[in-house]
Amino acid sequence: GAVVSQHPSWVICKSGTSVKIECRSLDFQATTMFWYRQFPKQSLMLMATSNEGSKATYEQGVEKDKFLINHASLTLSTLTVTSAHPEDSSFYICSAVSVPMEETQYFGPGTRLLVL
Amino acid sequence: KNQVEQSPQSLIILEGKNCTLQCNYTVSPFSNLRWYKQDTGRGPVSLTIMTFSENTKSNGRYTATLDADTKQSSLHITASQLSDSASYICVVRAYGNNRLAFGKGNQVVVIP
Repeated sequence: GAVVSQHPSWVICKSGTSVKIECRSLDFQATTMFWYRQFPKQSLMLMATSNEGSKATYEQGVEKDKFLINHASLTLSTLTVTSAHPEDSSFYICSAVSVPMEETQYFGPGTRLLVL
Repeated sequence: KNQVEQSPQSLIILEGKNCTLQCNYTVSPFSNLRWYKQDTGRGPVSLTIMTFSENTKSNGRYTATLDADTKQSSLHITASQLSDSASYICVVRAYGNNRLAFGKGNQVVVIP
C-alpha cells in the first residue's frame, strides 16, 4: 500500500515556541492531506483538510492562526503549531489521498507532541 | 453523541483465544466501513473495508462483519497473538464526501 511518513515522530518543546510537523507521501502524489489530533483513549479528530496549492479548510473550533497548514507540493504538507501551550500536547496524525474523493486514506505514523 | 460507538472499550484476552469487537454507527448515507489497527504511538493501519453490499470480509485472522440494516459491524480476532495487542478503530465513511467518522477504539490486550 501507499506510504505516508511524518517527521518528527516525537517532539518536546517549551511553552510559547512553535513546532513544525511534516507529512510526506513517499510513493504517490497526494492531492489532499488531512490532519488529525488524537488525545489518549479518544477518537481521531479531524483538524483540517489540506489541498495542494490552496488554503486549508479547518474544522469548527480549530484556530487556523494557531495551527498553520501548508501544502506546497503534491508530496508534502506541514502543520505548524504556533505559540504552543501544554494543552496542545497530543498525538498528531496526517493522512493522504491520491485523488479527491478517493476511498482510501493512508495514515502516517503520527507525531507525539509534548509541550512543557 | 458520537456517530460511531464501539464496545467493549477495553478487554484482556489470553493468547490463543478468540474475541469479538462491536461497532454501532449512525452515519447516513452510508458508503463504507473500515476496521483499523492502531498500535500504541503509531498511525492506524487498515485491516478491512466493507461496502453496503458486503456482509463479511477476512484478512488473515481478522474477520469483519457488517449488517447495514441494523448499522452494526463486528471484528473477530481468531487465535489471538501477543502482537494483536492494539486499539481497533471502526471508521465509517458517509456517501458523497471524504469525511470519516471515527470510533474511540477497542483497546485489546493479549496476555501470555
